[in-house]
This record gives sequence, structure tokens and C-alpha cells, in this order.
Amino acid sequence: DVKVTQSSRYLVKRTGEKVFLECVQDMDHENMFWYRQDPGLGLRLIYFSYDVKMKEKGDIPEGYSVSREKKERFSLILESASTNQTSMYLCASSLLDYGYTFGSGTRLTVV
Amino acid sequence: QQQVKQSPQSLIVQKGGISIINCAYENTAFDYFPWYQQFPGKGPALLIAIRPDVSEKKEGRFTISFNKSAKQFSLHIMDSQPGDSATYFCAASMLTGANNLFFGTGTRLTVIP
Repeated sequence: DVKVTQSSRYLVKRTGEKVFLECVQDMDHENMFWYRQDPGLGLRLIYFSYDVKMKEKGDIPEGYSVSREKKERFSLILESASTNQTSMYLCASSLLDYGYTFGSGTRLTVV
Repeated sequence: QQQVKQSPQSLIVQKGGISIINCAYENTAFDYFPWYQQFPGKGPALLIAIRPDVSEKKEGRFTISFNKSAKQFSLHIMDSQPGDSATYFCAASMLTGANNLFFGTGTRLTVIP
């Protein structure tokens, strides 16, 4: 089975800190995605990547950036964390058959 | 703008009953419609998916019904069990170009014993 591993389950950061969320997948998937999940809003796409060094903005990219230096790793960066970025962050990967495999999520609290 | 609209937001069903969750979309270019199931503390997991060339797909107790003309699709859970209690998300994507999934807002299902 494909495994998508997010480095942290829970994170607490201070306002203004630079935050790195790491995601690694082990099945050579081309596509990787970062979503945030908020009650009543579902899953909203932040950024995605179809290949190494490639990145595309999703629906809510403001305040975020990403890095994909290796095929298996996709990092989400909060340049200057704010309280409205407190959320559950989900990483996913897929092949071209559209089936996403999600990680277990990182619950980030910004204080 | 929500590309996929999902209802209800929450649903309570007795054990053995039928759970029905509905989704609607506007973009006729969508041609892949999966459903994801999420348990607390876990990421969403693919449950069942359908392409628009069929009107129904069944896998065990889970069935997707698809109405292309109405741009609607629904998940039916037959003989609902307490273990089905989870949050369910519908989604849609396009065959060509970007294959980003657009998700509904989710339905929290509770099955009462």
C-alpha cells in the first residue's frame, strides 16, 4: 500500500514563526497536494505539484509556499504563521488514475 | 466558490438503516467522482468512485448513484453500522489537464446502535 507520511501529528507555533510541514510518499507518485481542512469548509487546496521542482497554486495559496526538491517529498511552508492558519493540514499523493492517498494530517495551532 | 456542494452537513441514522448523502456540481467537464471516508485522527481514504459513463456503482454496502443530466451524485450506505460513523466527502475532477480533486464540505455520519 502507498504510504504518505506527515512528519508531525501536532504542532504549536507562535505568531510570526516560519513553519515547515513535511510530507513524504513511498510509491513514486508524480502528483502531490497540500490541503487544509476546517469544519464546515471541507478540504481546500493550498498548493500542488506534478513533478520535481514544479508547483502550482491551489484555491488558497496566500500565506503559504511549497518546495519539492525530490519526487517523494513535498513541503509546505508558512512564511509567517498567523492565528488564522490554525487548522488541520493534509498531504496527499496520486498517480494519473486520480486516486488520492492522504497522510494522517498535521494539526497546527498558531498562538 | 464551492465547485461541489454536499448535503446534509450531518446525518444520524439508526443501525440497519440507509444513509444517503447528496452532492451536486456545476462543471460539466468533471468526469471522475470519488467518495472519501475519514475517521477521527485519520486522513480521508478513498471509499468508492464512479465515472459518468455509468449511472450506478456498487461495492458491498456502498453504492454511488449518478445523474449526469441533473449534475448530481449520491452515496447510499445500506444496512448502516456503527462502524460506518465517520465524515464522508464527495469530490470531482477532470480527465484532461489538472486532475485536482474538488471536495464537498463533508457530512458527519453517526450510526446509532
